[in-house]
Amino acid sequence: GAGVSQSPSNKVTEKGKDVELRCDPISGHTALYWYRQSLGQGLEFLIYFQGNSAPDKSGLPSDRFSAERTGGSVSTLTIQRTQQEDSAVYLCASSLAPAQGDTQYFGPGTRLTVL
Amino acid sequence: AQSVAQPEDQVNVAEGNPLTVKCTYSVSGNPYLFWYVQYPNRGLQFLLKYITGDNLVKGSYGFEAEFNKSQTSFHLKKPSALVSDSALYFCAVRGFTGGGNKLTFGTGTQLKVEL
Repeated sequence: GAGVSQSPSNKVTEKGKDVELRCDPISGHTALYWYRQSLGQGLEFLIYFQGNSAPDKSGLPSDRFSAERTGGSVSTLTIQRTQQEDSAVYLCASSLAPAQGDTQYFGPGTRLTVL
Repeated sequence: AQSVAQPEDQVNVAEGNPLTVKCTYSVSGNPYLFWYVQYPNRGLQFLLKYITGDNLVKGSYGFEAEFNKSQTSFHLKKPSALVSDSALYFCAVRGFTGGGNKLTFGTGTQLKVEL
């Protein structure tokens, strides 16, 4: 079946601009996660959505970062006033349920470059 | 807090030889442990996980991993390496209690399999 999809695959933007990154989870998966992969910081958790519950935003690095998940499916990660340190690969993952043992399946990522 | 250590940045092995990629973890309570592989410009691909039960876990592409509670380790192994196994490997942990809703990843180990 279809996996997690993300768009765009690459995004180049100028410092100070806003960007939106999209994630389509696997159909039927109730849990959705955003991670960031960068050379300096490795893989870091950003935010987690589960059903209609309030999202876990504990990993967002600043208030310039926000995310929403509409209709329990598609999610958008928004970065306002981008900075060069925001350059990274943004990975989305989904799992069938939020149980700790459930496998998270990752999308191909969006490579963000801030000039 | 939960953490993962992958002590080797790179592992080199000859094709046909056995390979081991090391991982140790720290977590409160029982761990859920995962291995993922990342090929260039791709997202993370799930290999295998330990939840409970048999300490030897078998996964995709002939990989296996052994959970050792006393040594808090979860080393990835394969009896006979292939050139196509060359990739970046990540170990991850999620605590049964605490740790929030996220996977915590190690820094990754680059595996290079040579002819």
